[in-house]
Amino acid sequence: AQKITQTQPGMFVQEKEAVTLDCTYDTSDQSYGLFWYKQPSSGEMIFLIYQGSYDEQNATEGRYSLNFQKARKSANLVISASQLGDSAMYFCAMRGPYNFNKFYFGSGTKLNVKP
Amino acid sequence: GAGVSQSPSNKVTEKGKDVELRCDPISGHTALYWYRQSLGQGLEFLIYFQGNSAPDKSGLPSDRFSAERTGGSVSTLTIQRTQQEDSAVYLCASSLSGVVNSNQPQHFGDGTRLSIL
Repeated sequence: AQKITQTQPGMFVQEKEAVTLDCTYDTSDQSYGLFWYKQPSSGEMIFLIYQGSYDEQNATEGRYSLNFQKARKSANLVISASQLGDSAMYFCAMRGPYNFNKFYFGSGTKLNVKP
Repeated sequence: GAGVSQSPSNKVTEKGKDVELRCDPISGHTALYWYRQSLGQGLEFLIYFQGNSAPDKSGLPSDRFSAERTGGSVSTLTIQRTQQEDSAVYLCASSLSGVVNSNQPQHFGDGTRLSIL
């Protein structure tokens, strides 16, 4: 069964504006972790931000924040003040449940930042 | 460096040949993963190793694919009798394992770009 859903295959945003990339997940467990990765055209996977299922505060890392809505099972990534270098594929991933060594990835969202 | 190392970075081979891809994880990481990524697509899980436990092979697409991990460190992914549809980037990742490390991400290598002619 699919665990992670990213419904936006492609997104455009104007430089300096904020953008939200959607991610929903499917689990009946209470313990899990949510991650976002960035993959530029060069191909490397870069870890951006983490949210634990028991974390009460939304995670933030610089210009990245995670809008975590547990009841809705969503973990949207918000990028503030977009930069040209933010153009990349973005993947949402979940660790666990049941097996904390298993990661499930979404299909990704390709973000294009326009000058 | 201290990151995940994969070799070769590029591999071109003829259909029907066998290939071996290597992954050297971050020291101390007991979990190691292999993924396949076709052009413009997401990550397809292939296999993962956790310490001395039996590997989870549930993502291997056919019996032409196999992987081993020696001494809990270096891993080799082998594809026998390669087909053109095997052309993709093969990514390796490692992570700390267990519940106490549940906030730890996977760390990825730069991948091996495999092209089957």
